[in-house]
Amino acid sequence: KNEVEQSPQNLTAQEGEFITINCSYSVGISALHWLQQHPGGGIVSLFMLSSGKKKHGRLIATINIQEKHSSLHITASHPRDSAVYICAVDTGNQFYFGTGTSLTVIP
Amino acid sequence: DAGVIQSPRHEVTEMGQEVTLRCKPISGHDYLFWYRQTMMRGLELLIYFNNNVPIDDSGMPEDRFSAKMPNASFSTLKIQPSEPRDSAVYFCASSLSSSGNTIYFGEGSWLTVV
Repeated sequence: KNEVEQSPQNLTAQEGEFITINCSYSVGISALHWLQQHPGGGIVSLFMLSSGKKKHGRLIATINIQEKHSSLHITASHPRDSAVYICAVDTGNQFYFGTGTSLTVIP
Repeated sequence: DAGVIQSPRHEVTEMGQEVTLRCKPISGHDYLFWYRQTMMRGLELLIYFNNNVPIDDSGMPEDRFSAKMPNASFSTLKIQPSEPRDSAVYFCASSLSSSGNTIYFGEGSWLTVV
């Protein structure tokens, strides 16, 4: 069983659509990270959450500690949002990664 | 700040050769992480350092892999001898703390072992 489960694995959306990517985890965590990996391979850290909600531009990340669940939302999606989005949890002494959600936004 | 700097960006080597990957973390960051990414296994944490001391190396696949951090501004990941199954992208990252702070990734070192 994977400690971190992401859904969906693949997602295709039309430009402008509202997108949600989900992450569920089974371990106790001190923080949860959302990472973005572009087709060129570089990884960017989007958010680090330990509670509540964070917003950066068109991106919103929420976490529910009791339910062990986090969501990444993209409003008014754009083709440049096409990337793999990875959820990672930090237990304080170990990291666990989801397998990623591959997002393609079509113009 | 220049961010996390890794070298080489790309390396192709023959099976059995020694491979050394290098990383310069962001100045002032006290945590350094080495990750490996493959199509089959996704992103995996190999080892991380706190203040130059290895804290958790349980992700290091086997004895052929070793990592060092001789000072706060430099780390190496060495594979000796290399095997084709080591082909992957190796990322180095740094942060101010192992949790509670953003992790900054380097651009990765793309290793191909033939």
